[in-house]
Amino acid sequence: DTGVSQDPRHKITKRGQNVTFRCDPISEHNRLYWYRQTLGQGPEFLTYFQNEAQLEKSRLLSDRFSAERPKGSFSTLEIQRTEQGDSAMYLCASSLSGDSQETQYFGPGTRLLVL
Amino acid sequence: GNSVTQMEGPVTLSEEAFLTINCTYTATGYPSLFWYVQYPGEGLQLLLKATKADDKGSNKGFEATYRKETTSFHLEKGSVQVSDSAVYFCALSRGKAAGNKLTFGGGTRVLVKP
Repeated sequence: DTGVSQDPRHKITKRGQNVTFRCDPISEHNRLYWYRQTLGQGPEFLTYFQNEAQLEKSRLLSDRFSAERPKGSFSTLEIQRTEQGDSAMYLCASSLSGDSQETQYFGPGTRLLVL
Repeated sequence: GNSVTQMEGPVTLSEEAFLTINCTYTATGYPSLFWYVQYPGEGLQLLLKATKADDKGSNKGFEATYRKETTSFHLEKGSVQVSDSAVYFCALSRGKAAGNKLTFGGGTRVLVKP
């Protein structure tokens, strides 16, 4: 199975620490999206890439958050100086732009708990 | 801005009952509409979608019709099974011009009892 993978699946950290998550999209997909899902809510868009270019960032993405996709393949999402409010599930999705039926395929998510 | 509103859960049903989950949206233009499902312990999966008015999406016995006049995309299934227990999310996309990013509703948890 070559679906979207995310690592780690779970992360517990102390407030003030930095964390980094990784997403590996489906290999031929050129678009990659990050969403955040808090408990009992639907996912909220954070940012997306087309190849290595970051094309849009939500205002939810404060300056403590940074995302990269250096070679247009995998992506990382880093949170600096974590706060308790950052506790959430971080979801990654990928798609193939230009596909007339463009569908986003989601990974299993990384669940972050900030103590 | 864009938004999606769906009925709050949990919805508890007996096996073989009829399921309806209401979803309405607010968006400019002609968004595409989706239903995603999240089974316990798994990631989001696309269940069905519709890209223009009056289109009907269907999959695994689920159906939803894109109703532009009522800005709705209600999900229905005629006879649910225990295995349909999951959280269902309605979502919209405003297409390529908006990066195809998805706007989700809050989710509806469905529990089907044998």
